[in-house]
Amino acid sequence: GAGVSQSPSNKVTEKGKDVELRCDPISGHTALYWYRQSLGQGLEFLIYFQGNSAPDKSGLPSDRFSAERTGGSVSTLTIQRTQQEDSAVYLCASSLIGQYYEQYFGPGTRLTVT
Amino acid sequence: QQPVQSPQAVILREGEDAVINCSSSKALYSVHWYRQKHGEAPVFLMILLKGGEQKGHEKISASFNEKKQQSSLYLTASQLSYSGTYFCGTAVSGSARQLTFGSGTQLTVLP
Repeated sequence: GAGVSQSPSNKVTEKGKDVELRCDPISGHTALYWYRQSLGQGLEFLIYFQGNSAPDKSGLPSDRFSAERTGGSVSTLTIQRTQQEDSAVYLCASSLIGQYYEQYFGPGTRLTVT
Repeated sequence: QQPVQSPQAVILREGEDAVINCSSSKALYSVHWYRQKHGEAPVFLMILLKGGEQKGHEKISASFNEKKQQSSLYLTASQLSYSGTYFCGTAVSGSARQLTFGSGTQLTVLP
């Protein structure tokens, strides 16, 4: 079946503009995660959605970042008033909810803020 | 607080073995291992749960020492395709499943 998809694959934006990044999880996966990976670095947790529960936003770096998940499926990560330090690869992952909840990652969106 | 991985980098010849370690200062519920090739998404390798259960690829083996909050990934008879950056991700509870990742171990397998 299809894996996690993300769009766009690349986004170049000017400092101060807003951007929206989209994630389409694997069908049936009720958990969805957003991570950020800066050049040569590890993955940094941003936000986690599980079913209809309130999302865990504890990893969002500032109030310029927000995310929503509609209908328990597609998720959008929005960054307002982008800054150069927001430049990174934004990765989305999804998983089942069960004892084993291996996360399957999408290809990511490379965001460059100029 | 992110887990600490060691070594930071390792270079092997095809057929050699390697061990990658992941250590946490927190009590863990699970440890996850991923491999990421340059420009690609991380790929799941293994999950190890508190209590001893684990699930992963057949050719990958790993251990989780709950007393020390340490996990090790064992790569035996390495192949060229094993090259990449290995990340461990840790979760502190079964309900909060977001992972805290280590900074990665870069593995290079030479012919």
